[in-house]
Amino acid sequence: EDQVTQSPEALRLQEGESSSLNCSYTVSGLRGLFWYRQDPGKGPEFLFTLYSAGEEKEKERLKATLTKKESFLHITAPKPEDSATYLCAVQARGYQKVTFGIGTKLQVIP
Amino acid sequence: NAGVTQTPKFQVLKTGQSMTLQCAQDMNHNSMYWYRQDPGMGLRLIYYSASEGTTDKGEVPNGYNVSRLNKREFSLRLESAAPSQTSVYFCASSLTGRDGNTIYFGEGSWLTVV
Repeated sequence: EDQVTQSPEALRLQEGESSSLNCSYTVSGLRGLFWYRQDPGKGPEFLFTLYSAGEEKEKERLKATLTKKESFLHITAPKPEDSATYLCAVQARGYQKVTFGIGTKLQVIP
Repeated sequence: NAGVTQTPKFQVLKTGQSMTLQCAQDMNHNSMYWYRQDPGMGLRLIYYSASEGTTDKGEVPNGYNVSRLNKREFSLRLESAAPSQTSVYFCASSLTGRDGNTIYFGEGSWLTVV
């Protein structure tokens, strides 16, 4: 069965303090790995899709990377508006289902 | 562009009552989903519809029914609500392709069963 484990569960950073969020996964043949941002009271907002090991994608202060067993979401010089819960999810080849992790709650302090 | 729209946003039900959550997408996506999100449990798939006319069970289908009314609309029905169904419900849609399908979510429906 597909599994997604995110760490840490919560992370508190000072504004400008760079860090990384981890997503470890097990899946029988990766079709895609997804990162989402979720603000309180809102639905998850799509950030990135990664398809194969070695792939990287960037958006503003966020950079997502992928290996065969884990993905990292690097946050460079975060701002308070980056505070949110970040969700990781995987989809196996040949299957419709997408399995989500519980998320990392990020708080960026001014 | 509205994306995925779901109604109602908030609902309080008594145990045993029934209700339907409505969802519509305007992105011409073929697949639609219903998830629930509970603290410490993450997003769990209730039902999905890979295409118009088809529906399949997800991880937690018990107590729910769905209808794919047309390509745009996918409804979730609770026939006899239970307190365990208190949750936040998200409708989502995706365009399934060779390279995987990115799922886009609605804003959520907060359901409380008392």
